Amino acid sequence: EPEVTQTPSHQVTQMGQEVILRCVPISNHLYFYWYRQILGQKVEFLVSFYNNEISEKSEIFDDQFSVERPDGSNFTLKIRSTKLEDSAMYFCASNLDRANEQFFGPGTRLTVL
Amino acid sequence: AQKVTQAQTEISVVEKEDVTLDCVYETRDTTYYLFWYKQPPSGELVFLIRRNSFDEQNEISGRYSWNFQKSTSSFNFTITASQVVDSAVYFCALSEARSGGYQKVTFGTGTKLQVIP
Repeated sequence: EPEVTQTPSHQVTQMGQEVILRCVPISNHLYFYWYRQILGQKVEFLVSFYNNEISEKSEIFDDQFSVERPDGSNFTLKIRSTKLEDSAMYFCASNLDRANEQFFGPGTRLTVL
Repeated sequence: AQKVTQAQTEISVVEKEDVTLDCVYETRDTTYYLFWYKQPPSGELVFLIRRNSFDEQNEISGRYSWNFQKSTSSFNFTITASQVVDSAVYFCALSEARSGGYQKVTFGTGTKLQVIP
């Protein structure tokens, strides 16, 4: 069964460093998303992406964040200058269209020291 | 705006007891989806069920059952004869389709279930 994959599973970085989280959505899906979960809290929507454009972004998704689909398979989330409060689990998701559910990846745990 | 409320923060039950996790949602859309996810200590989100807003039939899958009631905007989840492996955080979620074709999923705050042997 096709699945969303994410790499790395755990990323440790120093405050102020740039990080890129990678996701490979399900191959025929058209819509892509990033969500964030701070430890012990709920999962929060960050951004949705379609046709090489951001469709919607949350207040959390400020200028430090960017997303990109650099090729036909990867979908990335970049944090330009990480802060301690960026430490969280980041989930990628994708879906085919509005009538179909989102499939979530296993997450990348980001730790900012 | 869409909202999902899981009023139960933590529940502890003794193994083999039944347990119901509550979920109440708010949405202005007539077309939406409701989900339950399980999050074990390892952190991944495990999909359990999806219901669309037009299908109010209750569903049973093994020891799991779901009660969807549009009249009360509730989508409750019952685990029958709980087991230690059921210990996890359970999230209820609501997905609305946007005009651009994408979806936005709103999660509840989760209910941490501890099953005591």
